[in-house]
Amino acid sequence: SAVISQKPSRDICQRGTSLTIQCQVDSQVTMMFWYRQQPGQSLTLIATANQGSEATYESGFVIDKFPISRPNLTFSTLTVSNMSPEDSSIYLCSVDKFGQVYFGAGTRLSVL
Amino acid sequence: AQSVTQLGSHVSVSEGALVLLRCNYSSSVPPYLFWYVQYPNQGLQLLLKYTSAATLVKGINGFEAEFKKSETSFHLTKPSAHMSDAAEYFCAVSDNSGNTPLVFGKGTRLSVIA
Repeated sequence: SAVISQKPSRDICQRGTSLTIQCQVDSQVTMMFWYRQQPGQSLTLIATANQGSEATYESGFVIDKFPISRPNLTFSTLTVSNMSPEDSSIYLCSVDKFGQVYFGAGTRLSVL
Repeated sequence: AQSVTQLGSHVSVSEGALVLLRCNYSSSVPPYLFWYVQYPNQGLQLLLKYTSAATLVKGINGFEAEFKKSETSFHLTKPSAHMSDAAEYFCAVSDNSGNTPLVFGKGTRLSVIA
């Protein structure tokens, strides 16, 4: 199994600022995935983070806006940069370990 | 590329009635299929998943889903709805290679009427 600790659990931020979300897994995993869930919407994949290489971003998401770090096999960060109210969402990290998919509890972000 | 279509953004059933939430998928490789539930202001909870074993998958809370390759479907059912089943339900697909992200459908909100 895998236990994912994600923090902060929630934050309220001012527009124009940045927030870094941390995701810690209790075991080593190759890939970590970052999702966004906008209010009343489904989950959309932002990017895939592989240790030792740059993250792979999905269409509509760019590194300047959502820089990701993956310094080792148990940790990743997602930064939401230069925030606007449209960035208000739940951000989740996820891992796939031997075919089992695990999600963090999510970070609920509100941008004023 | 993989995709999921959930038919019906909102389904309403009476308490005790059959629940049927529809999910069709598209995948160029044998898929893994998942159903998740999300209660208001809570995180995702896995209901069940199909990983190429039995085509009828039983999950938690009395839910089950049947993988039908010929129909590219993975519909979620429950014989008798409870008020506590009211939530948002998401169908998701991934390939069977591991280390691939889930692709989610848009979700179906289930309402249960007393």
